[in-house]
Amino acid sequence: QLQLQESGPGLVKPSETLSLTCTVSGDSISSSNYYWGWIRQPPGKGLEWIGSIYYSETTRYSPSLKSRVSISVDTSKNQLSLKLSSVTAADTAVYFCARCPVGEFDYWGQGSLVTVSS
Amino acid sequence: QSVLTQPPSVSAAPGQKVTISCSGSSSNIGNKYVSWYQQVPGTAPKLLIYDNDKRPSGIPDRFSGSKSGTSATLGITGLQTGDEADYYCGTWDSSLSAGFYVFGTGTKVTVL
Repeated sequence: QLQLQESGPGLVKPSETLSLTCTVSGDSISSSNYYWGWIRQPPGKGLEWIGSIYYSETTRYSPSLKSRVSISVDTSKNQLSLKLSSVTAADTAVYFCARCPVGEFDYWGQGSLVTVSS
Repeated sequence: QSVLTQPPSVSAAPGQKVTISCSGSSSNIGNKYVSWYQQVPGTAPKLLIYDNDKRPSGIPDRFSGSKSGTSATLGITGLQTGDEADYYCGTWDSSLSAGFYVFGTGTKVTVL
C-alpha cells in the first residue's frame, strides 16, 4: 500500500525559505515510472500545482512559482523535498505531495499546513 | 488564476443527478487527458476519474467522466449526502515550452 507523509515546520517567517519533506513508503521514487509532485491549497481556496519531478532528475514547475521553487529527491531515504524561497503570507497553505502516473495524481499525502508569519 | 473554469456550485436532492463542467482550451483539455478529484473539507483530494472517463478501483460507477473538445464533464448519479464535497478537474497544459499541470477552479456540491 503506497503511503505519502509530508513533514516540516508549520511556521515560517516572511522572506525565509519554506522546506518540506515527503516520505514515500510502498514504492521507490527513483525506480518507478512516475512523476512525483507538490500541490498546495491556501485556506478556503482551490488547489494549485507547484511542481513535479520525474526519475529524480526531470523537473517541471508552475510558471508563477518557478523562480522561487526547487523540488528534489533523496533516493537513499525515498523522500521528495520542496523548497520555496522568499515566502510571503500568500504562501500560507496546506501543502500536499502526490504521485502522478500520467495525467492524474492518484496517491496523496494527508497534507501539511504551513503558515507564513513573523 | 486557473485556466480551467468550473461552476462555483451545484446542488440537487438525494438520489438526483448533477453534472460539473470544466472548460479549458486546446493547450490543455483539448489535447490532454482530464482527471477529476473529490475533496471533503479538511482532507486530501481523492482521485475519482482519470484518462477522461476511467474510474480507479473502489470508485463507484455513480461517478462518470466525459470529454468533448475543450470541455470535460463529471457526472454524479444517485446523489448521496456523502457526496457533499468540493470537486476539481485537472490536466496538463502545453501552452509553454515546459508543460505544467493545472487544476480547475473547483465546484462545491451540495445535497439538498
